[in-house]
Amino acid sequence: GENVEQHPSTLSVQEGDSAVIKCTYSDSASNYFPWYKQELGKRPQLIIDIRSNVGEKKDQRIAVTLNKTAKHFSLHITETQPEDSAVYFCAAIQMDSSYKLIFGSGTRLLVRP
Amino acid sequence: GAVVSQHPSWVICKSGTSVKIECRSLDFQATTMFWYRQFPKQSLMLMATSNEGSKATYEQGVEKDKFLINHASLTLSTLTVTSAHPEDSSFYICSALTGLASSYNEQFFGPGTRLTVL
Repeated sequence: GENVEQHPSTLSVQEGDSAVIKCTYSDSASNYFPWYKQELGKRPQLIIDIRSNVGEKKDQRIAVTLNKTAKHFSLHITETQPEDSAVYFCAAIQMDSSYKLIFGSGTRLLVRP
Repeated sequence: GAVVSQHPSWVICKSGTSVKIECRSLDFQATTMFWYRQFPKQSLMLMATSNEGSKATYEQGVEKDKFLINHASLTLSTLTVTSAHPEDSSFYICSALTGLASSYNEQFFGPGTRLTVL
């Protein structure tokens, strides 16, 4: 089955700086990679996703890149703001009939004012 | 986007009792729902996949007799934690899959249920 690894586990940046979170996956058949933001005690919120036929996707301050050959994908947040502080999870879909999402271990991002 | 609700949002129960958690898709039909468990400062761990009208598929290591899942309609799945113990205390989150089973569409998450077993 699919296995997703995520780094770093914690990340502290100064407000205005950029933050990068990286994930690798094991199943070359996976073709959908969402990123979620989770605030304490709340549900994960989809912030951006990318499919395997695209190498990069951007939405305002957030971008995701995908390298299918290396089987890794990254989340980039530019001009970080304190409200970006949260836990971020990457995920990959397990490409059998179950369509299960396999989550990374999470990155706790702290944006210092 | 599609809305998924969970009830209750939090529950405290005594050890040995059973607790039922409901997951509803409010404005769409979900043939597939997923149940996750999340311990503090950890990731979401998939417990089981719930398909309407059929038995749930449990992940390795998840006791199906302890975590009973029923998906009786296209908008409702329930998770019952039977004979709960303190180690079952966790944040339980469901998600619902839109679209046809033959293709992947976005999963929408419920707000979660925090279970505390005394």
